[in-house]
Amino acid sequence: GIQVEQSPPDLILQEGANSTLRCNFSDSVNNLQWFHQNPWGQLINLFYIPSGTKQNGRLSATTVATERYSLLYISSSQTTDSGVYFCAVERVRSNDYKLSFGAGTTVTVRA
Amino acid sequence: DAGITQSPRYKITETGRQVTLMCHQTWSHSYMFWYRQDLGHGLRLIYYSAAADITDKGEVPDGYVVSRSKTENFPLTLESATRSQTSVYFCASSESQGIFRWEQFFGPGTRLTVL
Repeated sequence: GIQVEQSPPDLILQEGANSTLRCNFSDSVNNLQWFHQNPWGQLINLFYIPSGTKQNGRLSATTVATERYSLLYISSSQTTDSGVYFCAVERVRSNDYKLSFGAGTTVTVRA
Repeated sequence: DAGITQSPRYKITETGRQVTLMCHQTWSHSYMFWYRQDLGHGLRLIYYSAAADITDKGEVPDGYVVSRSKTENFPLTLESATRSQTSVYFCASSESQGIFRWEQFFGPGTRLTVL
């Protein structure tokens, strides 16, 4: 399968701080998605971003597909940003489908 | 309710019993997925389905069976549950256009404990 590495594994932030999460992947992919798993276990879509840059409020993401990485930026962090952030990649080719999740970055935002 | 639902939300069973986890989506998405998430780990794909009557194995299919007779339903069956199958199970769905796939949407999860 495709290897997906997320860094850092853990991140502790003071409320109001900015941070960058990274996702590296080992092969070319068709799709990349960022998720947030909240403390109650629900997985929430953040970005669908196979390439380029997107922004949604205080969050933004950039994927550089040719260099096989994606970055998730959290600005002015809030306690509600706490949880685990996952990166997932898909590669679809005829008769071959690969989907892999990273192990996640656990973010704790302290008031 | 619109969206993707899973039932039951919690299940306790015993080793050797058969268990079926249900997943239902109202969007008519062509693709559906089953994942398991073990404590402290990311998600691993068990099975996926590209359309009704089309299913295929993911990363960890052993011990599981799926079917998809209708587009909106994708049940996952543990034919003879083992303790190693204690996990949280997530169902997801997504639309697609050729090889281009839109984002996945996840159900709330089913927490399964096998004693």
